[in-house]
Amino acid sequence: GIQVEQSPPDLILQEGANSTLRCNFSDSVNNLQWFHQNPWGQLINLFYIPSGTKQNGRLSATTVATERYSLLYISSSQTTDSGVYFCAVVETGFQKLVFGTGTRLLVSP
Amino acid sequence: EPEVTQTPSHQVTQMGQEVILRCVPISNHLYFYWYRQILGQKVEFLVSFYNNEISEKSEIFDDQFSVERPDGSNFTLKIRSTKLEDSAMYFCASSGGRSGGYNEQFFGPGTRLTVL
Repeated sequence: GIQVEQSPPDLILQEGANSTLRCNFSDSVNNLQWFHQNPWGQLINLFYIPSGTKQNGRLSATTVATERYSLLYISSSQTTDSGVYFCAVVETGFQKLVFGTGTRLLVSP
Repeated sequence: EPEVTQTPSHQVTQMGQEVILRCVPISNHLYFYWYRQILGQKVEFLVSFYNNEISEKSEIFDDQFSVERPDGSNFTLKIRSTKLEDSAMYFCASSGGRSGGYNEQFFGPGTRLTVL
C-alpha cells in the first residue's frame, strides 16, 4: 500500500515564527488533505489539496502531485496552532484516507 | 455549516460487552467511513460504506465489527465483543459526490472508547 511520511516529527517554535511541514507519498493520489488535531483530539480540516496551491489566512499549502509531496506553511504562528498536523492521501483506485504519522507542533509564547 | 456529529463523546465498557457508536453524516453525502486512532498513534482506516454496502475495509475490520445505516440519517459501528485493544478514538467521516474518497472527507469529533 501507499506510504505517507511526514517531517519533521516534532517542531518547537516561538510565537510569531514561520514553519514548513512536509508530506511525502509513495504513489499517485486522487485526494490529499491536511488536518490539525487539536488538544481535544478533534480532526480539523485545513486543506483539500490533491494538486496546486491554496491559502487560508496564515496557512497555505502546495501539492506537487507529479513529485509526490505536499507542503503546509504556517506563518506568524500562534499558541493556538499547537497540536498535531496530519497529512492524509487517497491512493488511486481506493476510497480510504491513509494518514501519515504527523508533525507535533508546539508554539510557545 | 453542515457537520458530522457523533454520539456518545466518551464510552466506557467492560471487556466482552457490545458497543454501538453512532454517527450522523452530512445530509447530502453518499460515502461514509469509520477510522480509529489508538492513543499516541496515527489515524487508521476501518471501513467505507456506499449505497448500503461496504465498499472497502481494512484488516482491522474483522468479524467483531459491523456497520449499518439503519435509517436515512444515522450510520453506526458495532463492536460485538470488545477487547482491551479496541480502546481508541473512533472517528466517523463522510464525503459527497460520486467519486467517494476522491472528494474531501469531513470528520466528526470522535467517540473515545475505553475498554476496561
